Amino acid sequence: DSGVTQTPKHLITATGQRVTLRCSPRSGDLSVYWYQQSLDQGLQFLIQYYNGEERAKGNILERFSAQQFPDLHSELNLSSLELGDSALYFCASSVATGMTNYGYTFGSGTRLTVV
Amino acid sequence: AQKVTQAQTEISVVEKEDVTLDCVYETRDTTYYLFWYKQPPSGELVFLIRRNSFDEQNEISGRYSWNFQKSTSSFNFTITASQVVDSAVYFCALSEAETSGSRLTFGEGTQLTVNP
Repeated sequence: DSGVTQTPKHLITATGQRVTLRCSPRSGDLSVYWYQQSLDQGLQFLIQYYNGEERAKGNILERFSAQQFPDLHSELNLSSLELGDSALYFCASSVATGMTNYGYTFGSGTRLTVV
Repeated sequence: AQKVTQAQTEISVVEKEDVTLDCVYETRDTTYYLFWYKQPPSGELVFLIRRNSFDEQNEISGRYSWNFQKSTSSFNFTITASQVVDSAVYFCALSEAETSGSRLTFGEGTQLTVNP
């Protein structure tokens, strides 16, 4: 157990729907990161939050949004889902952010299948 | 822009063979971090090693070793006496401290299959 908890583990939904992926970071970690792993795009950074504030944005579609709550858990919202959104979505957490990157701990992922 | 290239898409070896996974990176930053992660068939991403750009010492951890060469922008990973449990996808990743904070740019991954 990495200490980073992602729910649900699997999600199957139809095109056009909206889903919410949840992530609880490791105890003491203030930063949360979201990554998408798809067959055609590989592992791509989506977005980072630090202590409730958005810190960095990557290749995140406008149909996707995220937030980090006061208790530091984070949610990734995916709307108007398309077949191409089918992927493994990882959350990761780390103690800090910025210049010194000690690496971070990944959760086990949420596998999203859009049908 | 940062880039990580893992030219070997798939490698297949027989148990007890040594295998080296290649990683070449591109960055303009002088301060950066390199990582290797393992993704077994179960799907999770397991951290293996972190190296910063100022530390070119090679590292050995059990059967694993890493060779960091700034002159060739490479950070290769060798598994000695491979085992079936080493079968996984291995990712090399780069974090540019100056331009992109703590986000990771991953290579495409190398699928390693160790056959008994």
